[in-house]
Amino acid sequence: GAGVSQSPSNKVTEKGKDVELRCDPISGHTALYWYRQRLGQGLEFLIYFQGNSAPDKSGLPSDRFSAERTGESVSTLTIQRTQQEDSAVYLCASSPTRTGNGDTQYFGPGTRLTVL
Amino acid sequence: GESVGLHLPTLSVQEGDNSIINCAYSNSASDYFIWYKQESGKGPQFIIDIRSNMDKRQGQRVTVLLNKTVKHLSLQIAATQPGDSAVYFCAESLNDYKLSFGAGTTVTVRA
Repeated sequence: GAGVSQSPSNKVTEKGKDVELRCDPISGHTALYWYRQRLGQGLEFLIYFQGNSAPDKSGLPSDRFSAERTGESVSTLTIQRTQQEDSAVYLCASSPTRTGNGDTQYFGPGTRLTVL
Repeated sequence: GESVGLHLPTLSVQEGDNSIINCAYSNSASDYFIWYKQESGKGPQFIIDIRSNMDKRQGQRVTVLLNKTVKHLSLQIAATQPGDSAVYFCAESLNDYKLSFGAGTTVTVRA
């Protein structure tokens, strides 16, 4: 079946503009994660959605970042008033339930965001 | 700071040789560990995982070793192939879902 998809694959924006990044998880996966990966670095956890539970937003770096998820489907990560330090690859992953119970996180290809 | 890290940022391996990639973690409470492979322009791809009640787990051409005494994790790749060239990340599971990643090791396979 189809994997995790993300759009757009690349986004170039000007400082101060808002951007929306989209993630389509694998069908049937209840858990969805957003990560940020700066150039040459590992992944930083941003936010986690599990079913209808309140999301874990503890990784969001500032109040300019927010994310929504409709049910167990599409998620949107929004960055308001973008700054140059927001430039990174934003990765989305989904899993059947949650990691730690042996459920692997499957990653999408990411959205490369460049803030000029 | 990061709770998971790798000992070497780069590793060059001759095709056909075995590769060993090392990882240190600092949170003794972590109970689930995963190795991911990331090729250029792609998202991380699951390789193998291991729970803290195990010391070793084998997959196809890969073996993960966990030493809880020294909080060390390693990934062994047998008969390394050109397609194994990538960045390898170890990750530990915190709170059962929040993965903490190291900076990664870049593996280059020499023909």
